[in-house]
Parts: sequence; C-alpha cells; structure tokens
Amino acid sequence: DGGITQSPKYLFRKEGQNVTLSCEQNLNHDAMYWYRQDPGQGLRLIYYSQIVNDFQKGDIAEGYSVSREKKESFPLTVTSAQKNPTAFYLCASSAGLAGGGSSYNEQFFGPGTRLTVL
Amino acid sequence: AQSVSQHNHHVILSEAASLELGCNYSYGGTVNLFWYVQYPGQHLQLLLKYFSGDPLVKGIKGFEAEFIKSKFSFNLRKPSVQWSDTAEYFCAVIITSGTYKYIFGTGTRLKVLA
Repeated sequence: DGGITQSPKYLFRKEGQNVTLSCEQNLNHDAMYWYRQDPGQGLRLIYYSQIVNDFQKGDIAEGYSVSREKKESFPLTVTSAQKNPTAFYLCASSAGLAGGGSSYNEQFFGPGTRLTVL
Repeated sequence: AQSVSQHNHHVILSEAASLELGCNYSYGGTVNLFWYVQYPGQHLQLLLKYFSGDPLVKGIKGFEAEFIKSKFSFNLRKPSVQWSDTAEYFCAVIITSGTYKYIFGTGTRLKVLA
C-alpha cells in the first residue's frame, strides 16, 4: 500500500526539549512538506523539500529544522526555540513542485502527529 | 501578501440542503486551485482541483467548484449534502511563479444534521 506514514501519533514533550517527528513516504515523490495545523488557522507551511539534500523555509520555519537525506524521509525537529510548539503536525508529499501536468503538485497527506508540550 | 480566504468558518445544514463554501485568493498571476477535505479522524484528502481548461471542475462525492478568475474565487458546491459530508474543508492555492507557495485557507467546518 502506497502512502505516507507519520510517527508517533501522539507525542508529549517537556519544555526545553527538542523532539523529532518522523515522516516516511513510499510514493516515490520528489517533494515533501511539513505543515502545522492550529484551530481556526488552517494549515501553515513550515518547510518543504523539492529534492534530496535540498529544503526551503516556509512561512513559519522559526524554531524548526528539517533534513532530507533520503527521498523517502523528511523528519522535522521541533526545537526548544519554538515558542508555541503544541499543535497538530502534518506531513505531505507530491510528485514535484511545478509543471509535469495536473497531478504533479497534488499533495498527499499523512495522518499527522499531535505534539503536546507539558 | 498572497492569501486565501474562506469566509464561512462554521456551517450547519440539514441533509438534502444545498452547499456553497466560499474561497477567495489574493494573487494576480497564474494559480492552481484545490479543495481538500478532512473527515473526522481521517487524513486530509483531495476533493477536486483546477489547473486549466473548463473552469467548472467536478470532484469526488458529487462536489464541484467553479473558478471565476475575475472574482479570484473558487467556490465549492454540492446540490444536496449528506450526513457523511460532515467534515472540515480547506481551499488551497499554489503559486508556482517566482518563489513557490502553497497556501491553505483557514478551513470551514461543515456539520450536516441527519
């Protein structure tokens, strides 16, 4: 079954700790994304990656870091510098960013990770 | 700055009522437009998309949306809703010229009463 997996589903963290959220896809997609979903604010883009070893900041990158060492994996680290980390985090992937036809940048989403800072 | 506005944050309808959810974006260039749906406890999934051609696009489960370029709008419609349409709906815009941007609206929570 092709898709995107995120783990863990629920994550609790103490203030001041870094935590890493996992995202894996087996869709052979080049592009991957991290979003943060807060009630009443929709989805906001944290980071995205067009290809392995390359990633770009989204609208709310401060306090977050990512890596893209493998095509299938795009882990997100929530650092202690993130002032309000409690949120629902969604990972997505698409075949690419632009061009290539109408399905090229359709995004497929994982089930999400709910992070709570205690 | 580019943005996507969904004016209705919460909508409550009875079954068989007609639905229209508004979506407006602010960007003068070429855009690709999407509607996503998030059913309770499920992944966000694509409902329909517009890239080019016929501005009236049809998606899954009887939904459709019309792209009106002059109004910068991409409203979602369904003639007769069902209880199973209860979900949160997100409009999204991709801007691919210059800096890549994929912008989501704030979402509309639809509750359909049986």
